[in-house]
Amino acid sequence: NAGVTQTPKFRVLKTGQSMTLLCAQDMNHEYMYWYRQDPGMGLRLIHYSVGEGTTAKGEVPDGYNVSRLKKQNFLLGLESAAPSQTSVYFCASGVEGKGGHYEQYFGPGTRLTVT
Amino acid sequence: SQQGEEDPQALSIQEGENATMNCSYKTSINNLQWYRQNSGRGLVHLILIRSNEREKHSGRLRVTLDTSKKSSSLLITASRAADTASYFCATGDSWGKLQFGAGTQVVVTP
Repeated sequence: NAGVTQTPKFRVLKTGQSMTLLCAQDMNHEYMYWYRQDPGMGLRLIHYSVGEGTTAKGEVPDGYNVSRLKKQNFLLGLESAAPSQTSVYFCASGVEGKGGHYEQYFGPGTRLTVT
Repeated sequence: SQQGEEDPQALSIQEGENATMNCSYKTSINNLQWYRQNSGRGLVHLILIRSNEREKHSGRLRVTLDTSKKSSSLLITASRAADTASYFCATGDSWGKLQFGAGTQVVVTP
C-alpha cells in the first residue's frame, strides 16, 4: 500500500496563475482532508470530504476549491494564486474507529511558493 | 483560530531523559490526538485518547487528559535521538475534523 500520496512535491507559481494539487489514497477511506501549514503554526483545515461527491469548507477555505469525483482522489485547486497562499499543503485521509473517533493518515506534503 | 496550544514551544533534552509537553484547548472535544512530524515530512498519528478516558499508554508514550481543565499531556520516556521531531496535539470532533495546535519542537541530543 502506498498510503496517501500527493502530486506534485514542489511547485513555484506566479501571482494569478492556477494549479491543481492531487491527493490519492489506496486505503478505501471515506474521509479526506486538505490542510495548509505555515511556519510556527499548526495545520489549518482548508476543505474536507466525507465521501465521494461531497465536499465541505474548513477553517480557511477562501481562494481554494476542491473536488472528490472518485473516492480515492481529492483535488485542491487554486484558481488565481496569491503570495499569501505560499505554504506547505498536506492531504490526509481518515477512518472511523470505535465510537466515532477518527484517525488521520497524512501524505508527504506539497511545498508551494507563489511569487 | 487554533483550538490547541502546546507548551513549551521548544524542548531540548538528552538521550535517556523524559520529555513532557502539554496541550490546552478551548472547547469541548470528542477526542484528543497526538501526532509527530519529522522535518519536511507529513504527520504521523501517535495516539488517540477519548474524552471519557483519563490516561493512555502506547510503548514509551503516555498521554493524560483532564477535560475539567481542558488540557492534555504527552510524556515520552527514555527518549532517543530518533524522537527528535515536532509534536502536535489535535482535538477531534464527532465529524472527523481535527484542529491542531502550533506544536512543540523536541530535540534529543545523543
